[in-house]
Amino acid sequence: EDQVTQSPEALRLQEGESSSLNCSYTVSGLRGLFWYRQDPGKGPEFLFTLYSAGEEKEKERLKATLTKKESFLHITAPKPEDSATYLCAVQQGSSNTGKLIFGQGTTLQVKP
Amino acid sequence: DTEVTQTPKHLVMGMTNKKSLKCEQHMGHRAMYWYKQKAKKPPELMFVYSYEKLSINESVPSRFSPECPNSSLLNLHLHALQPEDSALYLCASSQREMGGAETQYFGPGTRLLVL
Repeated sequence: EDQVTQSPEALRLQEGESSSLNCSYTVSGLRGLFWYRQDPGKGPEFLFTLYSAGEEKEKERLKATLTKKESFLHITAPKPEDSATYLCAVQQGSSNTGKLIFGQGTTLQVKP
Repeated sequence: DTEVTQTPKHLVMGMTNKKSLKCEQHMGHRAMYWYKQKAKKPPELMFVYSYEKLSINESVPSRFSPECPNSSLLNLHLHALQPEDSALYLCASSQREMGGAETQYFGPGTRLLVL
């Protein structure tokens, strides 16, 4: 069964304290892995698409990496405005519908 | 521009009302989606339209009725909803990529409260 598991469920950091969020997946053929940021009461904001193991992408303080079993979202020197829920999702290789399988999310709180 | 717009932002309705949610995108995307999201849960897929045809209905109750009038617009018609249908309703769109990953772009959502 296709599955996505994110850890930790919640993470509290001090401003400037770097850390990583984990997304483990089991899927029959990976078409793509996606990271989104979601603020309370708003729609998910697209961050990254990763296509194959070994790929890395960066945007400001965020860096996403991908292996054959998991993805990491590294946050370097976070600021309070990075506080949000981060969602990971995968698209199965045989799917031609665009359907996403989401993890439960990691809620990040960055304290000043 | 990766903008998906949704109206209204907030909606309060009674269980006997009929209302509609609207979604629009001008990115030339040919796939559009409706999701339902409860608090502290990930989005849950409801419907997928591909080239204006319904391709997925995730066993959604018939009180939710989707419509895709053209490639840029997506509606969700609501009728005789239950209080447990209160949630954030999200619309998303993606370019159809045969064989490739399809990045979905989400709208801001409609917060629905059913009384």
